Amino acid sequence: HLLESGGGLAQPGGSLKLACEASGFTFYAYAMSWVRQAPGKGLEWVSVISGSGESTYYAESVRGRFTISRDNSKNTLYVQMNSLRVDDTAVYYCAKGRAVTEVGEDAFDVWGPGAMVTVSS
Amino acid sequence: SYELTQPPSVSVSPGQTASITCSGDKLGDRYVYWYQQKTGQSPVLVIYEDARWPSGIPRRFSGSNSGNTATLTISGTQATDEATYYCQAWDSTAAFVFGTGTTVTV
Repeated sequence: HLLESGGGLAQPGGSLKLACEASGFTFYAYAMSWVRQAPGKGLEWVSVISGSGESTYYAESVRGRFTISRDNSKNTLYVQMNSLRVDDTAVYYCAKGRAVTEVGEDAFDVWGPGAMVTVSS
Repeated sequence: SYELTQPPSVSVSPGQTASITCSGDKLGDRYVYWYQQKTGQSPVLVIYEDARWPSGIPRRFSGSNSGNTATLTISGTQATDEATYYCQAWDSTAAFVFGTGTTVTV
């Protein structure tokens, strides 16, 4: 299971940090991602981190503003979101990679319920 | 950047077959994954590696992938299959890419 927390309202240019607590599987053995969905829109992958935390990748839309991290001792995934923009408004899902520890071709087989992030003045 | 294109909507009668396409350059050279998202819910993986079923997914969902097009087929469509379906693939530059989504109306 995955459970996101930390969503809420932020002003443009502000910051917010989301957390995702995992349970029911060996957390460190899987790459983890953040995927977002703007209101009424489709799914957009945001960022991924390897099981060890050594490798990270970002979508072009958030690169340089968002930082993904994980604490395997706490079974928790994070994303620090800085310089927030109005178009970052979305439900943010935490998603588990299905089969691989490293970042690569794979699916997302477990999703959290999502955390709503609203960026507005 | 790599793009995956899906038809916006598909309509199907109960018990009939629905086919949802996903188009991308040389898509057949990579694995395609399919997700079902019902209104107000999180996505659920229904097909992985083109045609494999995750645990608990009904066999009426099937997938194929060749050339530039992948297809998700729902046989004997039920009212509970009404949802938006997204394809997804991996690109070495863009990482995880989702399709534009197809809303299936039963």
